[in-house]
Amino acid sequence: NAGVTQTPKFQVLKTGQSMTLQCAQDMNHEYMSWYRQDPGMGLRLIHYSVGAGITDQGEVPNGYNVSRSTTEDFPLRLLSAAPSQTSVYFCASSYGPYDLNTGELFFGEGSRLTVL
Amino acid sequence: GQQLNQSPQSMFIQEGEDVSMNCTSSSIFNTWLWYKQDPGEGPVLLIALYKAGELTSNGRLTAQFGITRKDSFLNISASIPSDVGIYFCAGHGGAQKLVFGQGTRLTINP
Repeated sequence: NAGVTQTPKFQVLKTGQSMTLQCAQDMNHEYMSWYRQDPGMGLRLIHYSVGAGITDQGEVPNGYNVSRSTTEDFPLRLLSAAPSQTSVYFCASSYGPYDLNTGELFFGEGSRLTVL
Repeated sequence: GQQLNQSPQSMFIQEGEDVSMNCTSSSIFNTWLWYKQDPGEGPVLLIALYKAGELTSNGRLTAQFGITRKDSFLNISASIPSDVGIYFCAGHGGAQKLVFGQGTRLTINP
């Protein structure tokens, strides 16, 4: 198993550009989520999905879109990039929402995004 | 929303020293978790705590679920260079998401 795979690992954008961060998992996990990591802020939840066709907002959803057409994939779209979206983005997955109780959230290696 | 306050934000210690860090919340959590992030990697689960008062060990790591359910502690004994990284506490309050603390960055001088 490859686990949780994120692409690209690094990206530089200009203000106003759009892009998609890709996330795929091969563990047949129902639950997938996106976090951003900023210095001194920890990990903040952007969007999450409890299964194909179902998505919901997290703590900081503004400026981001998600969709979940398959169990395996959960892309994160930046609609019009802003410097405030410069961050490291992590995709994470779990067997099911109930498994959050066990803490078994598996993270990808991260995507570092810089918006100029 | 729910927030976790983690302290200290950073630690600089000598190899072999013990480490203590903690996490507090204004809300009650049903589960407390501790993750570690190595440089350039995603966080990995170290310890999960499920009951108030629970004390759990994983090698040189020991974590406790506070009796009030609003705090948790992580101790690392006899630190070694590979302990370097960022440690995150996380709480699960029953909703479909984990709340993370700000992280404690651990630096070890050999």
